[in-house]
Amino acid sequence: EDQVTQSPEALRLQEGESSSLNCSYTVSGLRGLFWYRQDPGKGPEFLFTLYSAGEEKEKERLKATLTKKESFLHITAPKPEDSATYLCAVRGSQGNLIFGKGTKLSVKP
Amino acid sequence: DTEVTQTPKHLVMGMTNKKSLKCEQHMGHRAMYWYKQKAKKPPELMFVYSYEKLSINESVPSRFSPECPNSSLLNLHLHALQPEDSALYLCASSQGYGDTDTQYFGPGTRLTVL
Repeated sequence: EDQVTQSPEALRLQEGESSSLNCSYTVSGLRGLFWYRQDPGKGPEFLFTLYSAGEEKEKERLKATLTKKESFLHITAPKPEDSATYLCAVRGSQGNLIFGKGTKLSVKP
Repeated sequence: DTEVTQTPKHLVMGMTNKKSLKCEQHMGHRAMYWYKQKAKKPPELMFVYSYEKLSINESVPSRFSPECPNSSLLNLHLHALQPEDSALYLCASSQGYGDTDTQYFGPGTRLTVL
C-alpha cells in the first residue's frame, strides 16, 4: 500500500535557526514526490516536484532533496513568514496524490 | 499564471438545503479535481475529471454530485449533507493526468453544515 509519513508533526524554530523536515514514503515505483506549503484556511501552494533519487531543487530559503526512501525539505535561516504547514505527497498507482499528515512549522522572531 | 478560483469562500447550509460549489481555471488545464480537507488532516481526493469526463470517484456518497460543464469549470453540487461533511473543499487542476503534471490548488470553500 502506498504510504507517506512526515516528521516531525510540529517544529518550532527561532528566526535564523536552520532545520529539516522529513518525508518517508512507500510506493511501488515512484512517479513523483511533491512538496506543498499550506497556510491556515488556504489551499496548498505548490513548491517542488522531485522524480529521481539524488535530485535537488531550491527556492529562496527552501531546498528539497530526494533519496530512494525519503525526501527532506531543508529550511535555511527561516523567517516568521515561513511559518505554515508543509505537506509532502507522492503519486499513487491511479495517478492520484497521496498526502502525508504534514509538518506544522512555527518560526518565532 | 497558476490561478484556480473557487466560489464561494464560505458557505453555511442546513441539512435539507441544496447548494453548489464552483471552481474555475483559465490555464488550459485538462484535469480537474475535488478534494475534502478536515481540520488538521491532509487533503483527501474525492473526484477527478480528465478531459471533462469523470475518471475517478473515490467512493464518495451520492449527496455529493460533481459536474464538469466545460474544460474551465468544475462544480460540486451538494444535497442533504450531514454535519460531518463540514470541511474545507479544495479544487485543483493540472495540465493533464500524467506523471509530470503538477496539481495547482484553489483557495478552497469553507463549508459548514448545521
